[in-house]
Amino acid sequence: ETGVTQSPTHLIKTRGQQVTLRCSSQSGHNTVSWYQQALGQGPQFIFQYYREEENGRGNFPPRFSGLQFPNYSSELNVNALELDDSALYLCASSPDGANTEAFFGQGTRLTVV
Amino acid sequence: QQQVKQSPQSLIVQKGGIPIINCAYENTAFDYFPWYQQFPGKGPALLIAIRPDVSEKKEGRFTISFNKSAKQFSLHIMDSQPGDSATYFCASCGGGNTGKLIFGQGTTLQVKP
Repeated sequence: ETGVTQSPTHLIKTRGQQVTLRCSSQSGHNTVSWYQQALGQGPQFIFQYYREEENGRGNFPPRFSGLQFPNYSSELNVNALELDDSALYLCASSPDGANTEAFFGQGTRLTVV
Repeated sequence: QQQVKQSPQSLIVQKGGIPIINCAYENTAFDYFPWYQQFPGKGPALLIAIRPDVSEKKEGRFTISFNKSAKQFSLHIMDSQPGDSATYFCASCGGGNTGKLIFGQGTTLQVKP
């Protein structure tokens, strides 16, 4: 176990709705990165939060947004859900300082119908 | 310049065999090359990682070979076991930020008893 926990584990939403996914980072880790993994594909980087500030973003539209809290836990929000948003959403945490491995949670499986 | 190309897409070996998975990257600024193992319904788990100052790294039955001039790296699994059956992803990143990973497309490995 990595100590990175995500909730919920599964979620079904209707197209057009909004969803919030949550991640608790490993103890001592202040950096959280979010990824989207479509079925049969590698994870794709959405964005990263470091000490409550966004620290880089991948090629995802603005309806994907996030937050990081003072305890370094994080949320991923997706507005106006589309069918193509159906995927496994992963968060990864890493400690301060560069060059240290990132560890993933078990993911949230989002299905948009 | 941000792609990581992984091959083969799938691989079947007999127990005890040595599956080899290859990855090629384009961005010469990449300086961290991890391999992740993912079982169905789970998040990716870090297996082993290498930095470009060495050409090979071994951890248990897993070995990374790294060729900086060719911009390629590969994973070898010695004495493979049925429990190694999973999807394997290579990844790369640069600037010391190990949370901003670019993943390959994945290789599904089946180890037959």
